[in-house]
Amino acid sequence: KAGVTQTPRYLIKTRGQQVTLSCSPISGHRSVSWYQQTPGQGLQFLFEYFSETQRNKGNFPGRFSGRQFSNSRSEMNVSTLELGDSALYLCASSDQDGGEQYFGPGTRLTVT
Amino acid sequence: QKEVEQDPGPLSVPEGAIVSLNCTYSNSAFQYFMWYRQYSRKGPELLMYTYSSGNKEDGRFTAQVDKSSKYISLFIRDSQPSDSATYLCAMRQGAQKLVFGQGTRLTINP
Repeated sequence: KAGVTQTPRYLIKTRGQQVTLSCSPISGHRSVSWYQQTPGQGLQFLFEYFSETQRNKGNFPGRFSGRQFSNSRSEMNVSTLELGDSALYLCASSDQDGGEQYFGPGTRLTVT
Repeated sequence: QKEVEQDPGPLSVPEGAIVSLNCTYSNSAFQYFMWYRQYSRKGPELLMYTYSSGNKEDGRFTAQVDKSSKYISLFIRDSQPSDSATYLCAMRQGAQKLVFGQGTRLTINP
């Protein structure tokens, strides 16, 4: 099976812009979770989608949003980018509750 | 206090040594426990997955979960330079979010 894929792999944006990141889970996986990873804060949970519904949400401002499509692919959007949004954004998929989560390679976002 | 505590290291050991990595946690409801390995500028790679208490072995890796002490460990035998990476523990309760430790940076010296 192909692993979790994320596009694009690298992005450079300017403060105030918005960005959309994409994630394709492992075939058959219905749960997709998003994380932000920074050197200072480590891995922080953003949100999880399961069968097109947001099931869990982390403590991030409303500028961070996401959605999941009927084929389980997911997108996350960050509006009004801030310098502090520079991070590695990781997507992970799982095929069952409490099951193993497999990560993609991440999208490295740099905000200037 | 964080839900999951993990010593960030760095930890440096000679090749061939046994490595012990640990995490403690405060939420007794956690049921699923995982260890990930992350190389620089890559996504985390799932190494071990265990449910509830007990031991699990996979090649040179052994994961232990002690729910009574709220303590999990990962042991790496016959460590290799290619094991040099950041190791992250993670755990969750049912369908709740996965909670990660800070990660331990490990270096294996040839």
